[in-house]
Amino acid sequence: KAGVTQTPRYLIKTRGQQVTLSCSPISGHRSVSWYQQTPGQGLQFLFEYFSETQRNKGNFPGRFSGRQFSNSRSEMNVSTLELGDSALYLCASSLAYLGGGEDTQYFGPGTRLTVL
Amino acid sequence: GQQLNQSPQSMFIQEGEDVSMNCTSSSIFNTWLWYKQEPGEGPVLLIALYKAGELTSNGRLTAQFGITRKDSFLNISASIPSDVGIYFCAGMNYGGSQGNLIFGKGTKLSVKP
Repeated sequence: KAGVTQTPRYLIKTRGQQVTLSCSPISGHRSVSWYQQTPGQGLQFLFEYFSETQRNKGNFPGRFSGRQFSNSRSEMNVSTLELGDSALYLCASSLAYLGGGEDTQYFGPGTRLTVL
Repeated sequence: GQQLNQSPQSMFIQEGEDVSMNCTSSSIFNTWLWYKQEPGEGPVLLIALYKAGELTSNGRLTAQFGITRKDSFLNISASIPSDVGIYFCAGMNYGGSQGNLIFGKGTKLSVKP
């Protein structure tokens, strides 16, 4: 069974640009959630999509947005990049939505974004 | 905003010892989650707790959802070298588009053989 895949694995952008990251969940999983990890702020939850609907959302500005397609693949977009957006962006997939009683959640390897 | 205080920040223990770590908050959560992350890897969900007072085990790991819903504990019994990593707690309140998941800063565990 293939795991969660994220593309690209590494990305370098400059301030002001926008970026789109992709996450393909495990086959059959309907929930995809996104996280930002930095040395300073640690792990932070961005948002979760379940069956193409945003179900939960963290405390990030509107520059961070996402969507989920009918095949459960998800994309995350960050517009007007800032230096502080440099981070490891992780996505995770699970059968049920977060908090829905599903004990399994699988993370991808992450996309390392560097903003210059 | 909501914050989680996770302690200790780091632990250096001998193989075979038991480990305890906890997370506390001033806010109530509906769900508590415990993750482990090893260097260069994504987090792995270890245990999920859904009811106040719930005690759940996963092998040598045992976690509890505090009765006040403001805290959670993780215990590891008879530690082994492969337990090394950073353990994160997360509290969650879900509810349509307003649900949020808050992470603790992590407990870095080192195990000496």
